Amino acid sequence: KQEVTQIPAALSVPEGENLVLNCSFTDSAIYNLQWFRQDPGKGLTSLLLIQSSQREQTSGRLNASLDKSSGRSTLYIAASQPGDSATYLCAAYNYGQNFVFGPGTRLSVLP
Amino acid sequence: GAVVSQHPSRVICKSGTSVKIECRSLDFQATTMFWYRQFPKQSLMLMATSNEGSKATYEQGVEKDKFLINHASLTLSTLTVTSAHPEDSSFYICSARDRGQGVDTIYFGEGSWLTVV
Repeated sequence: KQEVTQIPAALSVPEGENLVLNCSFTDSAIYNLQWFRQDPGKGLTSLLLIQSSQREQTSGRLNASLDKSSGRSTLYIAASQPGDSATYLCAAYNYGQNFVFGPGTRLSVLP
Repeated sequence: GAVVSQHPSRVICKSGTSVKIECRSLDFQATTMFWYRQFPKQSLMLMATSNEGSKATYEQGVEKDKFLINHASLTLSTLTVTSAHPEDSSFYICSARDRGQGVDTIYFGEGSWLTVV
C-alpha cells in the first residue's frame, strides 16, 4: 500500500529565499506524481505533474524532480514571495489505483 | 479551464439534514471517480471509489450508509452526506479518471467546504 510523507511539516522563510520541499513515497512503481497547492479555505491547485518516465518538470519559479528508485520527489521554489504562502501537497498515483496524498508542508514566506 | 466541476463549493446545513455534492467531468467520460475528505490540518484521505453503474467501494472506516455515493452516468457522481452532524464538517473533493485515447489521467474538482451547524 502506497504511503506518502512530506518533510518539513512547516516552513517559514524570509522573502526571496530559494527553498526545497520534500516528498517520499514507499511504492516506487508510481505512474505519476503531482504537486498541489492549497490555500486556507480553498481547494486544490495543481502545480506540476511528473510522469514516471520524467525526471523533472518546471513551471515558472517552480521545479519538481522525481527519483523513482529512491522514492523521492522535491519541489524547488525559487525567489520565494509572500504569495507563495500556502500548504503544498504531493500525491503519488499508481496505475489503476488512486492518488495517495502526503500530509503537506505549510509554507509561510515573510515579507 | 476546469475539466472536473464540483458543486457547491461551500455549503452550510443544519444538523440532521442531508446535503448533496456533485462532481461532473466536463470534457470526458469518467467511469471511475474518487471522493476524498480532509480534516482540519490533515491530509486528504480517500473515502470511496465510485464506479459508473455499480456500487461504490468504500475505504475502511467510512460509513457507506452515511456517505451515499451515486455514479449514475459517465459524467456525474454525487456524494450525499445523510443526517449530517457537526463532525461531518470538512473539505470534500472529488477526482475523475480519464482513460480515453490511451491516457490515464486523473483530474480533481475544486472541492466543497461543508459546515454543519
